[in-house]
Amino acid sequence: GNSVTQMEGPVTLSEEAFLTINCTYTATGYPSLFWYVQYPGEGLQLLLKATKADDKGSNKGFEATYRKETTSFHLEKGSVQVSDSAVYFCALSPYGGSQGNLIFGKGTKLSVKP
Amino acid sequence: SQTIHQWPATLVQPVGSPLSLECTVEGTSNPNLYWYRQAAGRGLQLLFYSVGIGQISSEVPQNLSASRPQDRQFILSSKKLLLSDSGFYLCAWSTTRADEQYFGPGTRLTVT
Repeated sequence: GNSVTQMEGPVTLSEEAFLTINCTYTATGYPSLFWYVQYPGEGLQLLLKATKADDKGSNKGFEATYRKETTSFHLEKGSVQVSDSAVYFCALSPYGGSQGNLIFGKGTKLSVKP
Repeated sequence: SQTIHQWPATLVQPVGSPLSLECTVEGTSNPNLYWYRQAAGRGLQLLFYSVGIGQISSEVPQNLSASRPQDRQFILSSKKLLLSDSGFYLCAWSTTRADEQYFGPGTRLTVT
């Protein structure tokens, strides 16, 4: 079946530290991959996406590369800020295109200390 | 630009009472619509999705139901709430040509 596994949180970092949040997936087709961010008390916001192998999604200093050989889509940022404190969700769309339904990981809470 | 609204933002209801949560989307037509529930400390669970007016698919058996009376309106309902229905309910939409979803601000439901 299709599934997403994220590293357990919470993750606590100091400001300007390097961030990696691991995400691996299982999919039977050719999925699209996503990272969403959820700030406290809010809905999810699309952070970045990648639709095929070796694609790199990037936004707001965050990056993730679609690695088909390792079935991974790790989120990275070179220098985190306090404002990056949030819960981050990795997700996949099993068939790509317009099939709709997303499968989410359980989320990783990030806390950045000044 | 497209926007998605949910109301109410917060709701406290007694066990056994009815529920109606509303979601509307502006700035697009014929969107796919979704209801998710996020329980404390857990990920997102897809409850219902809809590809058109009157077309509802349920992902999990439960005492909730969904309806889509208009193209850009999606309603989540229950006749009798359970304690286990407490959670954060999120509505989302997507186009029929791409698979990323866009989420509303959510409704925090507490069943007492």
